[in-house]
Amino acid sequence: SQQGEEDPQALSIQEGENATMNCSYKTSINNLQWYRQNSGRGLVHLILIRSNEREKHSGRLRVTLDTSKKSSSLLITASRAADTASYFCATRTGANNLFFGTGTRLTVIP
Amino acid sequence: ETGVTQTPRHLVMGMTNKKSLKCEQHLGHNAMYWYKQSAKKPLELMFVYNFKEQTENNSVPSRFSPECPNSSHLFLHLHTLQPEDSALYLCASSWGGGDEQFFGPGTRLTVL
Repeated sequence: SQQGEEDPQALSIQEGENATMNCSYKTSINNLQWYRQNSGRGLVHLILIRSNEREKHSGRLRVTLDTSKKSSSLLITASRAADTASYFCATRTGANNLFFGTGTRLTVIP
Repeated sequence: ETGVTQTPRHLVMGMTNKKSLKCEQHLGHNAMYWYKQSAKKPLELMFVYNFKEQTENNSVPSRFSPECPNSSHLFLHLHTLQPEDSALYLCASSWGGGDEQFFGPGTRLTVL
């Protein structure tokens, strides 16, 4: 399967702590993207990292990509209650489509 | 919300009903997608349209019938569904090329 797998499935932290989520995939990719989904709503794109990039930052988000291990991590620093959501990684291969994982459910406790 | 709208937001239907889901994007994108999201499963890509032409059908049962009259509108026609088809159906759009996709809020479908 081309889809990514996130780890852990669920994560609960205190507000102000950092949250780290991991994604593993099986095939060579063109890029890897992270999305957030609030309960029962649509997904929102957070950040895209291309296969020739190793790290990328956007605000409190930091994404790393290790193509040799076929893995990526998403770090959210100084978490807030509003960060509570499910986070998905999605991989794009040579085709146009994205393949999503099952997500990590993050709960930030105020 | 993003520039992708979906109606209705909630739908309850019997197995013999016929209904349609509607998606509209106001972003000028040329690609549109239908996804099915079930609990504890990866997001399942159902259909892809590029410039109104269907480019992907991921072995979706014929009881789901997509329609894309133009690059801004996408429909999913439903008939004789099964209870296991209950899920959140998400529409998305993009410029094509597999980069960032913009999602609608979804339609929560319940099949009785």
